[in-house]
Amino acid sequence: EIVLTQSPATLSLSPGERATLSCRASQSISSYLAWYQQKPGHAPRLLIYDASNRATGIPARFSGSGSGTDFTLTISSLEPEDFAVYYCQQRSNWPSLTFGGGTKVEIK
Amino acid sequence: QLQLQESGPGLVKPSETLSLTCSVAGASISISSYYWGWIRQPPGKGLQWIGNVYFIGSTFSNPSLKSRVTISIDTSKNLFSLKLSSVTAADTAVYYCATASDSRGAFDLWGPGTMVTVSS
Repeated sequence: EIVLTQSPATLSLSPGERATLSCRASQSISSYLAWYQQKPGHAPRLLIYDASNRATGIPARFSGSGSGTDFTLTISSLEPEDFAVYYCQQRSNWPSLTFGGGTKVEIK
Repeated sequence: QLQLQESGPGLVKPSETLSLTCSVAGASISISSYYWGWIRQPPGKGLQWIGNVYFIGSTFSNPSLKSRVTISIDTSKNLFSLKLSSVTAADTAVYYCATASDSRGAFDLWGPGTMVTVSS
């Protein structure tokens, strides 16, 4: 089973700052990585699929990059509504998949 | 507009079977190239994929849960279901249903989730 490790576990930043979240796979997954945002009491929302493609309606401040085993989600300038937990998910052996453990972006 | 809604008992006794249904509204569940999935989230923890089903009935499950999981689809009722047998307190979680296109391999629409507690 492919394991996804997200870092850091918690990121403390202020509105307007740049957020850089990491997701590392235990083996190469090509570009088969997605990112989700989850706010308390809500279902996750798809942000990015296939490493760098924004889902419908996702603001341009969210961008994804990477391939192979190392991936990054960047939020160029944090808005108040961006403070949430972010998960990565791989689909290299689709339709089986795994999620990472999550990174919480909190207000500093 | 496509919408998903989970339903089922909020409380299940240990060793019994957890049964949930996801009703699909706004589109046919028989649409090709879409998978229908179950994901869960224990309180305060991360997401765990349970399994996916395709409209023809093909299923794929998390290896760690596979022996206890049954996922089925009912195209006549436009819904799909999850059964998890021999539950313990560790199965207490919010259970989500979601859908993913085959091309994207990511869940772009989710139900609101339903909390299931395993307790006697």
